[in-house]
Amino acid sequence: AQSVTQPDIHITVSEGASLELRCNYSYGATPYLFWYVQSPGQGLQLLLKYFSGDTLVQGIKGFEAEFKRSQSSFNLRKPSVHWSDAAEYFCAVGPLSGGYNKLIFGAGTRLAVHP
Amino acid sequence: GAVVSQHPSWVICKSGTSVKIECRSLDFQATTMFWYRQFPKQSLMLMATSNEGSKATYEQGVEKDKFLINHASLTLSTLTVTSAHPEDSSFYICSARDRFRDREDTQYFGPGTRLTVL
Repeated sequence: AQSVTQPDIHITVSEGASLELRCNYSYGATPYLFWYVQSPGQGLQLLLKYFSGDTLVQGIKGFEAEFKRSQSSFNLRKPSVHWSDAAEYFCAVGPLSGGYNKLIFGAGTRLAVHP
Repeated sequence: GAVVSQHPSWVICKSGTSVKIECRSLDFQATTMFWYRQFPKQSLMLMATSNEGSKATYEQGVEKDKFLINHASLTLSTLTVTSAHPEDSSFYICSARDRFRDREDTQYFGPGTRLTVL
């Protein structure tokens, strides 16, 4: 069965520190991979996505993610966290185009940033 | 680009009444729209998928007669919660996809609607 696992429910980092949020997926083929961010009471904003090609993907707000096929992972990273990055982060996978398509979301990782 | 709006952003209603939530794609044609429900501190749960001009496809366990979805145009989908009860109180989020724009099926999300049923 298809699934997405975000092992860390809650992470706290200091402002300026580096960040890595983990995401592992279980899927029969190479899926499309996404990271979304949700601020309190808001919808989801797309940070970045992997479709094919270069396995290191650059996104908005200084985020990047690396697809590692051998580890079925798509971890999100940022070299220096800002206080405004405090939010909920969701990893999601999507099937190939065509037919009935839907995203499968992980449970989310809540990021807190200490000043 | 790829902006999705929802209206209203929050609504409070009495038990037994019906509430309609609108989801609009503002700068693209949404061939497919999705409706999600999110409980506090939890992930998104897909409720249904709607394609323009056809009936919505509901996920297992979602009551079709309670959550009516209409996708009458390429820019508008509506979710109507019929005979709402307190247990329907939740954060409802829509998303839209333009398969002609994004091959990788990117979904663009609305800001969400918080429903409180008294």
